[in-house]
Amino acid sequence: SQQGEEDPQALSIQEGENATMNCSYKTSINNLQWYRQNSGRGLVHLILIRSNEREKHSGRLRVTLDTSKKSSSLLITASRAADTASYFCATDAWGGNTPLVFGKGTRLSVIA
Amino acid sequence: DAGVIQSPRHEVTEMGQEVTLRCKPISGHNSLFWYRQTMMRGLELLIYFNNNVPIDDSGMPEDRFSAKMPNASFSTLKIQPSEPRDSAVYFCASRGTTGETQYFGPGTRLLVL
Repeated sequence: SQQGEEDPQALSIQEGENATMNCSYKTSINNLQWYRQNSGRGLVHLILIRSNEREKHSGRLRVTLDTSKKSSSLLITASRAADTASYFCATDAWGGNTPLVFGKGTRLSVIA
Repeated sequence: DAGVIQSPRHEVTEMGQEVTLRCKPISGHNSLFWYRQTMMRGLELLIYFNNNVPIDDSGMPEDRFSAKMPNASFSTLKIQPSEPRDSAVYFCASRGTTGETQYFGPGTRLLVL
């Protein structure tokens, strides 16, 4: 079953604008991860945030996590046309080698 | 590192035919996952292996689907007989013992006519 639910399902912005995507989940987690999928490709890991962290940065990416609300957000600043892709959140309930549970993703289109 | 390797990349077959998808995980990774992605259902976990042993196959849609991992460097997902509703992109992913990130292959795009 899918635990993460991304919002919005689709987002279209102009190059240079910021893009914010949200993810809600249902059960307790060990960590939450964001992945990107370019059209016709596999998913690529972007960033991981642990349950005891509230915010994390990586380049133009900023991820926040609110475990009390069971939600996370991914912010991409100064977007570029190359950021056009689908973005998925994935929850890791137990750590170790149990599978991640993915949401259905947000399709981001960045218009040049 | 070559990453996760999947073959074939594209497969077109007719209903009723057997389809075999192949995956080579990243060397040293001990967990392997098979996912199916469709527009309607998103990314679904079909089955996963730890140390070559199937742990959870509850996501396998029906008996027509089977998966094996005969050794640490190879896994197959077989559909027999295939049906048009099996058309999807099938991904293999692997993960190391102490790792938290799953590494995905490029996927196999399957079309069953």
